[in-house]
Amino acid sequence: SQTIHQWPATLVQPVGSPLSLECTVEGTSNPNLYWYRQAAGRGLQLLFYSVGIGQISSEVPQNLSASRPQDRQFILSSKKLLLSDSGFYLCAWNPRRVWTEAFFGQGTRLTVV
Amino acid sequence: AQSVTQPDIHITVSEGASLELRCNYSYGATPYLFWYVQSPGQGLQLLLKYFSGDTLVQGIKGFEAEFKRSQSSFNLRKPSVHWSDAAEYFCAVGTTSGTYKYIFGTGTRLKVLA
Repeated sequence: SQTIHQWPATLVQPVGSPLSLECTVEGTSNPNLYWYRQAAGRGLQLLFYSVGIGQISSEVPQNLSASRPQDRQFILSSKKLLLSDSGFYLCAWNPRRVWTEAFFGQGTRLTVV
Repeated sequence: AQSVTQPDIHITVSEGASLELRCNYSYGATPYLFWYVQSPGQGLQLLLKYFSGDTLVQGIKGFEAEFKRSQSSFNLRKPSVHWSDAAEYFCAVGTTSGTYKYIFGTGTRLKVLA
């Protein structure tokens, strides 16, 4: 069966520090991968999605970037965090070329102080 | 542009009462529709989905939803709420215009009174 892992679960970082959140999927190949951010009262905002290695689409201009160095690995990064980057970050996947639901990881709570 | 509206930010119901959470979407083509539930600090769990066919879909935990194309709605219902249903609920539309993406509403937080 397929599983998705996100880490770390919780992170407290100072303003101006770098960020790296990692997401990996097991038990499938060639998935579509997604990064969402959840802020209070704003629902889930799609940040990035990827249909393959090295293929990243950005939905919202911001202080973050994403990379997909391997087929089942998706990384969210920042060079310098802002206070506004605080939130709950969720990684998700779905099978490529097959419409079904998105499968979510357990999320990372990021607090920028 | 595609969008999802959940007009109720918070809803409070008594245990045993019926529940309806509203969802309206804006999408030009045939929509793929989803309802997810999120417990505090957790990821999202799928409750149910609609792709085609019968407009009344059954999901897990006793939930159901009805797709009404004329109203662009996909409301979630449960006949009798349990205290464990307290959570945040998200409606989403899947878009297929070029890439598979999921657009979410802002969520409805459900509180259940004992």
